[in-house]
Amino acid sequence: SAVISQKPSRDICQRGTSLTIQCQVDSQVTMMFWYRQQPGQSLTLIATANQGSEATYESGFVIDKFPISRPNLTFSTLTVSNMSPEDSSIYLCSVQGARTEAFFGQGTRLTVV
Amino acid sequence: AQSVTQLDSHVSVSEGTPVLLRCNYSSSYSPSLFWYVQHPNKGLQLLLKYTSAATLVKGINGFEAEFKKSETSFHLTKPSAHMSDAAEYFCVVSGSGTASKLTFGTGTRLQVML
Repeated sequence: SAVISQKPSRDICQRGTSLTIQCQVDSQVTMMFWYRQQPGQSLTLIATANQGSEATYESGFVIDKFPISRPNLTFSTLTVSNMSPEDSSIYLCSVQGARTEAFFGQGTRLTVV
Repeated sequence: AQSVTQLDSHVSVSEGTPVLLRCNYSSSYSPSLFWYVQHPNKGLQLLLKYTSAATLVKGINGFEAEFKKSETSFHLTKPSAHMSDAAEYFCVVSGSGTASKLTFGTGTRLQVML
């Protein structure tokens, strides 16, 4: 199993600003995943972050809006840039192995006003 | 390509009665399948997983699910609902290979009534 710590747990931000979310894992992992859960919705994968290479973004998500860093095998950040109210969501990071379960952080509840 | 369909967005049961949450999947590979639960303002917790071993999978808190390849289903059941089971439940499929992307269903909100 893996223990994932996410910071901040929640934030209220002004539109037009940026927020960086941190994700720390208690073990080394190759891939980390970032998800968005909009209010009342399911989880949608934003991107996959590999250490030492550019993140791979899913359709509908772009690096300029959601830049990701992966400086080592236990840490990643997701930035939500130039925020608008539509970005109000829960953002979760996750780790998993091939064909095994995923472990999730507690999530960051973002409200943009 | 892979997908999951949760057939009910909302299920309401009385405490002590059986729970059935339905999930159908589609996958080009031999899939791994999971059920996760999300309690209000809490993170996601794994209930159980199927990874090509026994087709009847037992999970935590009395939940189980049966993988039926012929029906492409992975329904979640529990013999007797408890008030603490009220939550959002997600059926999830994972493909094979190193990518192992997870595809989430739209979720089923379980309500348990006294």
